[in-house]
Amino acid sequence: EVQVVESGGGLVQPGGSLRLSCAASGFTSSTYWMSWVRQAPGKGLEWVANIKGDGSEINYVDSVKGRFTISRDNAKNSLFLQMNSLTAEDTAVYYCARDLGPSSYCCDAFDIWGQGTMVTVSS
Amino acid sequence: QIVLTQSPSASASLGASVKLTCTLSSGHSRYAIAWHQQQPEKGPRYLMKVNPDGSHSKGDGIPDRFSGSSSGAERYLTISSLQSEDEAVYYCQTWGTGIHVFGTGTKVSVL
Repeated sequence: EVQVVESGGGLVQPGGSLRLSCAASGFTSSTYWMSWVRQAPGKGLEWVANIKGDGSEINYVDSVKGRFTISRDNAKNSLFLQMNSLTAEDTAVYYCARDLGPSSYCCDAFDIWGQGTMVTVSS
Repeated sequence: QIVLTQSPSASASLGASVKLTCTLSSGHSRYAIAWHQQQPEKGPRYLMKVNPDGSHSKGDGIPDRFSGSSSGAERYLTISSLQSEDEAVYYCQTWGTGIHVFGTGTKVSVL
């Protein structure tokens, strides 16, 4: 079965850091662009960052540039999101998502989603 | 920048049909989009990709009563024979060079 499973969420104080992980299975993740998407409580979906299959291209939404770092370990079929200098506005469920179809070019529809991991930034 | 516009809500009776609209911003009428369903307390689920010519490709296991179409800058999702489990928020998504954009979502209520 093709799936992605997120982990690493939790409660963190403002200014703190957290590292999210996404484990992929059922497909060779090294050939797919992968993204992190978040959803604040009661709000809509917001794309956060993506990374090319080989890790050579990375993009971020402006609000997280300089604070968040996306990376991947293809040997372990895993995706990561290092989040630093967290604020209350980063409180959200964070989803891992896969682009439709293996490709060297960004971007496409998200065809695989995880169940999400909750990040709460509060003192 | 790309903006996707969706109505906040829609409703229809059990067994009826509902048609949702996602409108692409000016200058982006040739973009494909995707539709995603988010049931309460669940993660999003990919429904289909809709191309500018109206053709669409559905995700695995998506019932035939879900269909997509296009007209100009508008992309549609039609749900026929509404079931209670179709009550959810439906998001459209598009993408550009290195970025992804979501609409604000349409909450569908089944009466």
